[in-house]
Amino acid sequence: QVTLRESGPALVKPTQTLTLTCTFSGFSLSTSGMCVSWIRQPPGKALEWLALIDWDDDKYYSTSLKTRLTISKDTSKNQVVLTMTNMDPVDTATYYCARILGRTAVGGGYFDYWGQGTLVTVSS
Amino acid sequence: QSVLTQPPSVSAAPGQKVTISCSGSSSNIGNNYVSWYQQLPGTAPKLLIYDNNKRPSGIPDRFSGSKSGTSATLGITGLQTGDEADYYCGTWDSSLSSVVFGGGTKLTVL
Repeated sequence: QVTLRESGPALVKPTQTLTLTCTFSGFSLSTSGMCVSWIRQPPGKALEWLALIDWDDDKYYSTSLKTRLTISKDTSKNQVVLTMTNMDPVDTATYYCARILGRTAVGGGYFDYWGQGTLVTVSS
Repeated sequence: QSVLTQPPSVSAAPGQKVTISCSGSSSNIGNNYVSWYQQLPGTAPKLLIYDNNKRPSGIPDRFSGSKSGTSATLGITGLQTGDEADYYCGTWDSSLSSVVFGGGTKLTVL
């Protein structure tokens, strides 16, 4: 049974760095083809993809947020960590982690399992 | 401004059929598989369709997907009130080396 769970602070101040952890079970990120991704959703708005990391430690980032994001994995702990620097009120959103299947050497893939999400509010 | 374009809302009566479009370009839909997600109010998105037209186990055949050129379509037949949700399309963009989503479509079952 595949599960993912996001954890991190519910409230951060502007200019601070956000660190979110995705703890998963039911699969291993050391298995060829496995990937984990972060997606966010501001209140009442659409999904926005942030980053992904694959079994080979390849990393991809949203073009618009690339300079602020870092994704990493700890295979032994079954965790993926996302850091986002210089937080702003517009970054207030529910942050989801999700497993990706179906990726190939040229990209692609789909999100087959999602965590429940964690709401992060940016406010002083 | 989303890379993929979806209508903001669609509506239909219970038992009827509805389609939701998703328009992109050659760098995304035109050369990559499309997936669709259903997001019920207050919940995480759920995979409905992957690889353009495949349904995960447990998804009823009332849901279908198709792709032609740089556009994709989600079809839902036999509408139920429980289908009221936001629906998102997603794919890989080869030029951006990024996942891209549509802006979402709110389905209302009247």
